[in-house]
Amino acid sequence: SQQGEEDPQALSIQEGENATMNCSYKTSINNLQWYRQNSGRGLVHLILIRSNEREKHSGRLRVTLDTSKKSSSLLITASRAADTASYFCATDSNDYKLSFGAGTTVTVRA
Amino acid sequence: DAGITQSPRYKITETGRQVTLMCHQTWSHSYMFWYRQDLGHGLRLIYYSAAADITDKGEVPDGYVVSRSKTENFPLTLESATRSQTSVYFCASSAGLYNEGQFFGPGTRLTVL
Repeated sequence: SQQGEEDPQALSIQEGENATMNCSYKTSINNLQWYRQNSGRGLVHLILIRSNEREKHSGRLRVTLDTSKKSSSLLITASRAADTASYFCATDSNDYKLSFGAGTTVTVRA
Repeated sequence: DAGITQSPRYKITETGRQVTLMCHQTWSHSYMFWYRQDLGHGLRLIYYSAAADITDKGEVPDGYVVSRSKTENFPLTLESATRSQTSVYFCASSAGLYNEGQFFGPGTRLTVL
């Protein structure tokens, strides 16, 4: 069963705007990861945040983690057309198996 | 070429036939995984392997068989394909316990008629 659930399911924004998507999960985790999937391609790892971290940055990406609410958010700043993709959160509990959500589809309009 | 490759990229087969999907990685990663991706379900883990000759079931293993005789290869076999196994299959690998995330192959789109 899916551990993570992304919200919203789909997001459409104008180029240059920020995109925010959220992930909620059910059980305690060791870490949470975000992946990007371009249409017809495999997933690409974006960022990993550990359970003892609250915020992490990587380029235009900002990830937050609130373990008390069992939720995470991914912010993409100054979006570009190339950011058009599906974004998945994945949680790692007490073993090395990842549990993925159903994803958020982001469309960046030129 | 370095990386993780899958073959074939596209496959059409008939119900009841045996199908093997291949996965090869050049990083000598210990861990390898097979997922299926279906609309509305995200990615679901089928099988995984922590090292050569060590495999274990994931969330949806029924109807699938894996083997890992060499570190770099992790084939997935559908013993008797069913229509419900029509999906996109992704292989992934990682060096350790997700310290760097998983690296995914390009996927195999399988259609079972």
